[in-house]
This record gives sequence, C-alpha cells and structure tokens, in this order.
Amino acid sequence: QVQLVQSGAEVKKPGSSVTVSCKASGGTFGGNAISWVRQAPGQGLEWMGMISPMFGTTNYAQSFQGRFTITADTSTNTAFLEVINLRSDDTAVYFCARGGGVADPTFDSWGQGTLVAVSS
Amino acid sequence: DIVMTQSPDSLAVSLGERATINCKSSQSVFYRSSNQNHLAWYQQKPGQPPKLLISWASTRAFGVPDRFTGSGSGTDFTLTISSLQAEDVAVYYCQQYYSPPLTFGGGTKVEIK
Repeated sequence: QVQLVQSGAEVKKPGSSVTVSCKASGGTFGGNAISWVRQAPGQGLEWMGMISPMFGTTNYAQSFQGRFTITADTSTNTAFLEVINLRSDDTAVYFCARGGGVADPTFDSWGQGTLVAVSS
Repeated sequence: DIVMTQSPDSLAVSLGERATINCKSSQSVFYRSSNQNHLAWYQQKPGQPPKLLISWASTRAFGVPDRFTGSGSGTDFTLTISSLQAEDVAVYYCQQYYSPPLTFGGGTKVEIK
C-alpha cells in the first residue's frame, strides 16, 4: 500500500517562497495523478491543482494560477508544491492526495498535511 | 465552476440515531455516457487528513462501514449515517469531480448530542 509522506511544517516571512514535498512511500506514483488541497485554519477544503507525474501535465484551479507551481520527480516518486511571494492568507495546511485526474478522479490516499505559517 | 452547497453546517445526533447530510451542486454532475454521478464524500477527523468514504455518489470505499450510505442523483445528494457511533464525530465534505476545478462543499460538522 503506497503512502504519501509530506515534508515538515514551515514558518515563512511574507514575500518569501516555500516548497512542500510529497513522497510516495512503499511504491511509486504509477499512473496516478497527484493533487494538492489547501485547508486554511478552521476552514474547508480547496483543490489547488494536479499533476500527472507520468506525463508531466498539470491543471490548476484559477485561484492558484501564477504563484503556485506543481511538479513531480518520477525518479524519486516525489511531488512538489512551490509557492512564491507568500502572503499571510497562504497560512494553511497543504495536503497532497492521490487522484484528481481523469482516470482517478477521487482522492483515495492523502498525505498527513504540511502546515505553512506565514508571519512577519 | 460548480458550486457545492452542504446543509446543515453542523448537527448533533444521539448515539445510535440517524444523521443526514445534504449536498447540492449548482449544476448536474451526472454523466449520461457513463450513467454515473461524479460525486464523492469524505470524512475528516480533527488533526487528520480527509478520508474517502463514498465515490460515484453511492459506492462505499474499501473498509467503510455499511452504516454510511450515499444517495441522490443529478444535483441533490445525501450522506446518511444510519446509527451514529462515537468514532463518527467528524466534518464531512462532498466533492464533485464532474469537471475541473474539482470543488468541495463547505463541510458539515457532526457531533454527539
């Protein structure tokens, strides 16, 4: 059973950048898509976008176009979320999840979440 | 974008009683070509990631107890917990995967009365 293991919590200053990683432990991504989902403190779930590691294709929600970049390294079975020019309202828990693609649209496996706190 | 609206925002139910959560989509999420509703339900307990409960509106994920039932079609969907257990205290989300961007409902918090 492949598990998704994310990098640890980050504290960042406004205007800086952060990269969160998501590694498939015990296996590979295979043909699955990997999505990123944001959850602000006390709020609901927001799909940010996805990548198909096999093909390298991405799809972003409009709210997450520009400052957010999703990439994947198939040699290490790791997906990444980079956020540049961080703002205070980027403070949230960021989850990676398997799924969100055409062939695997539901999120059947999730990382543990990574808290990114943005504060001066 | 397809807007998902859940109701109620929260509910308190006695142990062993039924809990019903509603989810309405701003447009139909039913695909005629596949005869499927592109609707999923997730459970999120405090401090944990969400867990897939139901896909295709009514298909329970592996290992999900049969007290969880998904129903509905088109734009109106329901998640029913037939006999609430203490471990069911959580926030429940519906999600459409009919068309990107994939969107979630605002969540329904289920507590014990």
